[in-house]
Amino acid sequence: DAKTTQPNSMESNEEEPVHLPCNHSTISGTDYIHWYRQLPSQGPEYVIHGLTSNVNNRMASLAIAEDRKSSTLILHRATLRDAAVYYCILRDVNAGGTSYGKLTFGQGTILTVHP
Amino acid sequence: DGGITQSPKYLFRKEGQNVTLSCEQNLNHDAMYWYRQDPGQGLRLIYYSQIVNDFQKGDIAEGYSVSREKKESFPLTVTSAQKNPTAFYLCASRGQVFTEAFFGQGTRLTVV
Repeated sequence: DAKTTQPNSMESNEEEPVHLPCNHSTISGTDYIHWYRQLPSQGPEYVIHGLTSNVNNRMASLAIAEDRKSSTLILHRATLRDAAVYYCILRDVNAGGTSYGKLTFGQGTILTVHP
Repeated sequence: DGGITQSPKYLFRKEGQNVTLSCEQNLNHDAMYWYRQDPGQGLRLIYYSQIVNDFQKGDIAEGYSVSREKKESFPLTVTSAQKNPTAFYLCASRGQVFTEAFFGQGTRLTVV
């Protein structure tokens, strides 16, 4: 799987927007960009994913650069419950022949939200 | 309700004993995964399975074994060969290529 690079940590104040960056300079044309987050002592949960166009859902927005070498997860108004580790991963839908293949996580970004 | 269940939540074992962690899903998902997480670290892939009776090694498979005899079950055995088994273990499943993975709540294994 192609690698992603994220900052180790970021901080935000409550009710302010948060922009979490992810670099993926070796992304291939069939790689989807997925974001997950992990709250303390819990399993990760899905946040959002996209291929080329920007995506919005009830949790967040995903902005994808035109060359797809980077992306940004946007939390429009951070709350204390958004404090978590955020993982950006790439998923090649053609990998492994059967299309599932590995699902590899990096270190992620630790987001701290201040009241 | 559909979901993925790991049991037990906490597990204590003596050094040198094998221990099996349970992972069950009723989501009818084909693919299942096992990860290990150490304090302050990301998730590392141990084993994954894309179909019943088939599984592949992940990045840190040494000292672990798995089986996939049923679609809904993917147990992980931590053997005595695993040098440092104390960790948080997470199981996940996926149903379609374009969809997200669902994770269990994890099992925290402590070997004393």
